[in-house]
Amino acid sequence: QSALTQPPSASGSPGQSVTISCTGTSSDLNHYNYVSWYQRHPGKAPKLMIYEVNKRPSGVPDRFSGSRSGNTASLTVSGLQAEDEADYYCSSYTGNNILIFGGGTKLTVL
Amino acid sequence: QVVESGGGLVQSGGSLRLSCAASGFNFRSYSMQWVRQSPGKGLEWVSFISGSGSPVLYADSVRGRFSLSRDNAKKSLYLQMNNLRVDDTAVYYCARDPGGWAFDYWGQGTLVTVSS
Repeated sequence: QSALTQPPSASGSPGQSVTISCTGTSSDLNHYNYVSWYQRHPGKAPKLMIYEVNKRPSGVPDRFSGSRSGNTASLTVSGLQAEDEADYYCSSYTGNNILIFGGGTKLTVL
Repeated sequence: QVVESGGGLVQSGGSLRLSCAASGFNFRSYSMQWVRQSPGKGLEWVSFISGSGSPVLYADSVRGRFSLSRDNAKKSLYLQMNNLRVDDTAVYYCARDPGGWAFDYWGQGTLVTVSS
């Protein structure tokens, strides 16, 4: 099973919105609702930001939102803040009892 | 929280046993998983175990070499890694799965280095 495809980098200025894409296939992203997004600051453990495509865990700001269209899931960060600068990873259950991750996107706040 | 231990330096073909100690939640009620990150690379799913201990699932890259188990009385998870390869070198994370293949609590990770 191949990894999900994410752009290596994304950027935006404070206050702006940025969207990070995560592309899979009809066998994974478009077939199951088990799509998650994680934020990873250097030296820290990943933090769950979105689960089941578009649900936010308690404590995650509503500036973070998830969506899906066909074989592509997206994470949108609105009202960018300096602390949003981090690596972001998507994941999807594929069936066949396997989970795959995207390669990660480095978000830079300009 | 979850805390991993047991990482270290091992030669190719060797074995290591990673442990994950959980606290602060009803351990037996949650599936647990392992995820790893190799140097300079992204996250890779390794293994899943349900709250009862069955089923246990593995990534193709480790199936047949790694074995995951849990002791709910001790609130602990164990990843036995045999026949280690250089490409198993990574930081290994233990994570709680509340359902839906999402990980809401992660440990800080334990580093496994496999030398040739």
